[in-house]
Amino acid sequence: NAGVTQTPKFRILKIGQSMTLQCTQDMNHNYMYWYRQDPGMGLKLIYYSVGAGITDKGEVPNGYNVSRSTTEDFPLRLELAAPSQTSVYFCASSTTSRTGELFFGEGSRLTVL
Amino acid sequence: QQQVKQSPQSLIVQKGGISIINCAYENTAFDYFPWYQQFPGKGPALLIAIRPDVSEKKEGRFTISFNKSAKQFSLHIMDSQPGDSATYFCAANQGSSNTGKLIFGQGTTLQVKP
Repeated sequence: NAGVTQTPKFRILKIGQSMTLQCTQDMNHNYMYWYRQDPGMGLKLIYYSVGAGITDKGEVPNGYNVSRSTTEDFPLRLELAAPSQTSVYFCASSTTSRTGELFFGEGSRLTVL
Repeated sequence: QQQVKQSPQSLIVQKGGISIINCAYENTAFDYFPWYQQFPGKGPALLIAIRPDVSEKKEGRFTISFNKSAKQFSLHIMDSQPGDSATYFCAANQGSSNTGKLIFGQGTTLQVKP
């Protein structure tokens, strides 16, 4: 059982480039999330989705976009990369909105130079 | 009001000692408080969680203490082991929002010395 799979694991971007971080889950979870993790800052919610076709902004959405065309996939798009987007990105999924049990992927480390 | 404040930022404990991490929140609508454990290079994983109608929950060496009136909760790791060395995050969820969004604390890096 793969759980939540993120690709790529590492990526270096130049300022102004764009890219998509891929996330797929095989647990048939309705709820999916993108967080970014910066040292000493915890995890900040970028975007989330409560089901296919439904997405909404989290705490730090600027510079990012998402889509949710299927239950399994929740890609995160970075447009016009900036050094401030250097971070570790985590995708997570959940079967319920009533608890805090999120299943996380192993992360994607992005560096913008 | 959506913040969860966590302390300390880092913690060093001798093997066999007790590790204590504290968190505080403001939003009284939060109704589920999980703790996550993260090893280097891995994603966070749920460790233990509590609801505000319970003052304490214990799972093995891990205990959450919850003080609803003070809006504080803490993680106690008894008999700390080197394998417990990791980053720990407290979090809070507002179930009534029907989104499952978690608000995380800033994280505590725990080092258990042999």
